[in-house]
Amino acid sequence: ETGVTQTPRHLVMGMTNKKSLKCEQHLGHNAMYWYKQSAKKPLELMFVYSLEERVENNSVPSRFSPECPNSSHLFLHLHTLQPEDSALYLCASSQEGQGRTEAFFGQGTRLTVV
Amino acid sequence: GIQVEQSPPDLILQEGANSTLRCNFSDSVNNLQWFHQNPWGQLINLFYIPSGTKQNGRLSATTVATERYSLLYISSSQTTDSGVYFCAVLLYSSASKIIFGSGTRLSIRP
Repeated sequence: ETGVTQTPRHLVMGMTNKKSLKCEQHLGHNAMYWYKQSAKKPLELMFVYSLEERVENNSVPSRFSPECPNSSHLFLHLHTLQPEDSALYLCASSQEGQGRTEAFFGQGTRLTVV
Repeated sequence: GIQVEQSPPDLILQEGANSTLRCNFSDSVNNLQWFHQNPWGQLINLFYIPSGTKQNGRLSATTVATERYSLLYISSSQTTDSGVYFCAVLLYSSASKIIFGSGTRLSIRP
């Protein structure tokens, strides 16, 4: 069982839909991340939250909107997506500062935009 | 920004063979991780290794930070070892970043 849980595991949405991806970590970490993995491409960092504050926004289009209500939860709100946004979206968490730890990833949400 | 390069991009081996995967990085890093991505997309932690050598069963890893590379060794390969292996470097600055290489796709034939 992973310490980082993502839901849903699969999502098909139309270009006019609004949906949200959820990530929950049970590891007591203080940093959380969203990554995008498209076919034949390396994992791309999208957002980083540290102590619930967004500290990195890697030039991601505004149709992706992250939310971190507390240190255990991270959301990615999606609206008016494009077919090229179809990808595997991965969430990760780690402990930053003193007592740094390795990063752990969730199982991912496989998103298809039609 | 920092570049992370993995080689080879693809590797096909017979069951029982040994393999060495390489990760080169272009600048100093605070830490390094190796992951195995299974067919369902999950990233499985293999090693968290800023320097030195670690072993876990048939797998071992060595990082030489001063020379900016890391190696992952897989001995006596099994079909379940198939998948993509990623190296990721960790940068601790104003915002922690985990930067991934493009991966090595390993296929183990029975």
